[in-house]
Amino acid sequence: EAAVTQSPRNKVTVTGGNVTLSCRQTNSHNYMYWYRQDTGHGLRLIHYSYGAGNLQIGDVPDGYKATRTTQEDFFLLLELASPSQTSLYFCASSDSGGRDAEQFFGPGTRLTVL
Amino acid sequence: QQQVRQSPQSLTVWEGETAILNCSYEDSTFNYFPWYQQFPGEGPALLISIRSVSDKKEDGRFTIFFNKREKKLSLHITDSQPGDSATYFCAAQPGTGSNRLTFGKGTKFSLIP
Repeated sequence: EAAVTQSPRNKVTVTGGNVTLSCRQTNSHNYMYWYRQDTGHGLRLIHYSYGAGNLQIGDVPDGYKATRTTQEDFFLLLELASPSQTSLYFCASSDSGGRDAEQFFGPGTRLTVL
Repeated sequence: QQQVRQSPQSLTVWEGETAILNCSYEDSTFNYFPWYQQFPGEGPALLISIRSVSDKKEDGRFTIFFNKREKKLSLHITDSQPGDSATYFCAAQPGTGSNRLTFGKGTKFSLIP
């Protein structure tokens, strides 16, 4: 059974729309991450969290909010979506302590902003 | 500023050949280097990793060679198989402070049919 799940798997919205991407992990991991993947850029970290209620800023946070409601659930919010946010989004989790820890990725959400 | 660079952008070899994927970095505080493998339609998954105290790490047909002085590492895939066709990401993590990974842009690897 998949340990990191994401929903929806595909989403189409219009410019200015509100979007929430969901991630759930059943690994009992403390750390969770949101990345975006774009051709020519690889994986870029948007936000991450080391526990419920905690939020850390990544490398490309502009235009994104995130919220970690429980150890299992991490949400990415786009309140005024723009075409530049069209991308493939991945959620990941890793064990507490984090150093040298393997990150386990979900299957991804493909978001299109028209 | 790109802290982790990968080359080539894409690589195609014959089945059975050895493929070499390159990675370099700038931040001397990086001391842990995982390689992630990603198949189309899936999320990346850890393939093999190395710490900077080592100069070589082997796991089956996959080997990492690490040169700390030159801040370079490479992933060698020997006896390349069709199932190895994927995108490979080199990543780096600092030895202290944040545990976050910095990823390269990836190398798309495929075999000549």
